[in-house]
Amino acid sequence: DQQVKQNSPSLSVQEGRISILNCDYTNSMFDYFLWYKKYPAEGPTFLISISSIKDKNEDGRFTVFLNKSAKHLSLHIVPSQPGDSAVYFCAASALKAAGNKLTFGGGTRVLVKP
Amino acid sequence: DAGVTQSPTHLIKTRGQQVTLRCSPISGHKSVSWYQQVLGQGPQFIFQYYEKEERGRGNFPDRFSARQFPNYSSELNVNALLLGDSALYLCASSLGLAGGTQYFGPGTRLLVL
Repeated sequence: DQQVKQNSPSLSVQEGRISILNCDYTNSMFDYFLWYKKYPAEGPTFLISISSIKDKNEDGRFTVFLNKSAKHLSLHIVPSQPGDSAVYFCAASALKAAGNKLTFGGGTRVLVKP
Repeated sequence: DAGVTQSPTHLIKTRGQQVTLRCSPISGHKSVSWYQQVLGQGPQFIFQYYEKEERGRGNFPDRFSARQFPNYSSELNVNALLLGDSALYLCASSLGLAGGTQYFGPGTRLLVL
């Protein structure tokens, strides 16, 4: 039972354009969402997060949008740079639940072409 | 400031053997979580430890165990290794028990032959 899904396994975008990564979830208890970037042979690096009390959070080139009614979030990267080429994971947690378990999606591989 | 550190970086074992993986959290972080990442998938939660107590467990068999020490470092043990245990094992630390951002270490890549 995949509670967090990233339906696009890969995405190719031109340098300077916008990258849009999507993530859907099914568990209505999730109330905190995060995006991580992962390069090969490294651990995931935290990018940006959003609480369910917000619908948008921005940090530099990265913006996360949350649509609670649709149980959908997206990550926008503007402008995309070659160094953004990596695998991106969305993750969700239920803050009121005991513990701090993150449930991850399967990842989206982003390739930014110069 | 040092981030999350893990050792060893790589490990090769044979079926039936036992393995111990180590993790040191970011200074000041009291919570350590372990995740398993199989190739092509997202990380899967194994355990969370906070103040030396297990606070969460994922859907993994009893062959997997862990502990946390007074300095908040942690060990993950896997007994009776199976081929399917081959994966990247990630450790993440966070400040408190619930909520907040988890910061990951570089991982230990385990290969079981």
